[in-house]
Amino acid sequence: QVQLVESGGGVVQPGRSLRLSCAVSGFTFSSHAMHWVRQAPGKGLEWVALIAYDGSNEFYVGSVKGRFTISRDNSENTLYLQMNSLRPEDTAIYYCAKASRGTGLLIDYWGQGTLVTVSS
Amino acid sequence: DIQMTQSPSSLSQSVGDRVTITCRASQSISSYLNWYQQKPGKAPELLISAASSLQSGVPSRFSGSGSGTDFTLTISSLQPEDFATYYCQQSYSTPITFGQGTRLEIK
Repeated sequence: QVQLVESGGGVVQPGRSLRLSCAVSGFTFSSHAMHWVRQAPGKGLEWVALIAYDGSNEFYVGSVKGRFTISRDNSENTLYLQMNSLRPEDTAIYYCAKASRGTGLLIDYWGQGTLVTVSS
Repeated sequence: DIQMTQSPSSLSQSVGDRVTITCRASQSISSYLNWYQQKPGKAPELLISAASSLQSGVPSRFSGSGSGTDFTLTISSLQPEDFATYYCQQSYSTPITFGQGTRLEIK
C-alpha cells in the first residue's frame, strides 16, 4: 500500500533553516509528481510546493518563493523540502503528498505530517 | 490565484441527517474540483475527485456535483464516522488552492 513518511520537523529559530524528508513506498515514485502541503495549528490546508515526476519543474505558493526548495531523489524514493529564512508564520504541520497521474495537481495520498515550529 | 470559498464554515447536524456543503471558485475551473475529509489529528483523505468521482472505498452516501464555479458535497445520511472537517480543492491550475474548510459537528 502507499506509504509516505515525513521526517525532519522540529523547533527552529526565525531566520534559520530546516530540511524535511519524505520516504515513500508502495508505488512507482519516479512516475508521480509530488507535493508539500502545510497546516498551521488549528487552521486550514495550504499548498506549498509541487515537483514534477522527473524533477524538471517546480511550483511554489507565493509566500515561500525564494525561501523554500522542493527536490526529489528518484533513486532513493525520497522527497525533500529545504526551508530557509524561516518565519514564525511558517509554523505548521507539513504533509508530503502524492499526485495522481494526469496533470499532477490532484493529490490522492497524504503522509501523516511532521510539525515545524518556528520560534525564538 | 483562484480563490475557493466554502459554506458554511461549520454546521451541527444529527446522525441520519442529509448534509450539503458548497464550494465556489473565483473563476471557472471546469470539473477540476476535489473534496477531502480530515479527522482530528489525522491527514486529509481524498473522497471525491473531478467534482463527482467517488474514490474507491468511500461510502456511496457521499456524492459530489457541479462544474464551472459552483460545486456541492452531499452526505445523504450522516453516520458517526462522518463528523470531520471537509475541504474542497481546485486542481485546475497552480497555485493549488483549498477552501477554508467546513467543520461538521454532532448536534
